[in-house]
Amino acid sequence: EAQVTQNPRYLITVTGKKLTVTCSQNMNHEYMSWYRQDPGLGLRQIYYSMNVEVTDKGDVPEGYKVSRKEKRNFPLILESPSPNQTSLYFCASSLASGSAGELFFGEGSRLTVL
Amino acid sequence: QKEVEQDPGPLSVPEGAIVSLNCTYSNSAFQYFMWYRQYSRKGPELLMYTYSSGNKEDGRFTAQVDKSSKYISLFIRDSQPSDSATYLCAVNDYKLSFGAGTTVTVRA
Repeated sequence: EAQVTQNPRYLITVTGKKLTVTCSQNMNHEYMSWYRQDPGLGLRQIYYSMNVEVTDKGDVPEGYKVSRKEKRNFPLILESPSPNQTSLYFCASSLASGSAGELFFGEGSRLTVL
Repeated sequence: QKEVEQDPGPLSVPEGAIVSLNCTYSNSAFQYFMWYRQYSRKGPELLMYTYSSGNKEDGRFTAQVDKSSKYISLFIRDSQPSDSATYLCAVNDYKLSFGAGTTVTVRA
């Protein structure tokens, strides 16, 4: 089954404790991206990766890092989480960015930072 | 200025009603317009997309784009309880920019 898989789905952590949210896609997609979703603000892009060689900041990259060492995986790293990073996170992938490229989303990772 | 603005609602309608959802966008250069549907505790999924102006119909769903007024609409005819979800409009240039989403509840 074609899918984007994120883990963990739910996580409660404390300020400053490094964490990684993994993302993996099995569709051989070039483009991958991370979003956070907050009430009233919609989906905001954190980082994106056009392919394994190109990664760039989205609209809200502060406090986050990403890594694209292989095509299928695109982990999101929070080096020192803070309460304002409490949010619902989505990983997404598509065959290519731009134009009408359909984004396929994972089921989301709900993160709470105390 | 946000690239796309969407009334967050929420919207509650009786079964069988027509649901009308709207967004406005800022950049007249946008060519691709999309609607994503997001069920509770799930990721968004593409519902419909339209290139440039005009209408596109898919079953009970119709997407409209009016480029002269920079207005995007989604209509759901004969709404069903299974249509209860959050609907997000999106515009696509080199990346997707999403509206805030409108939560729709269809009451049986």
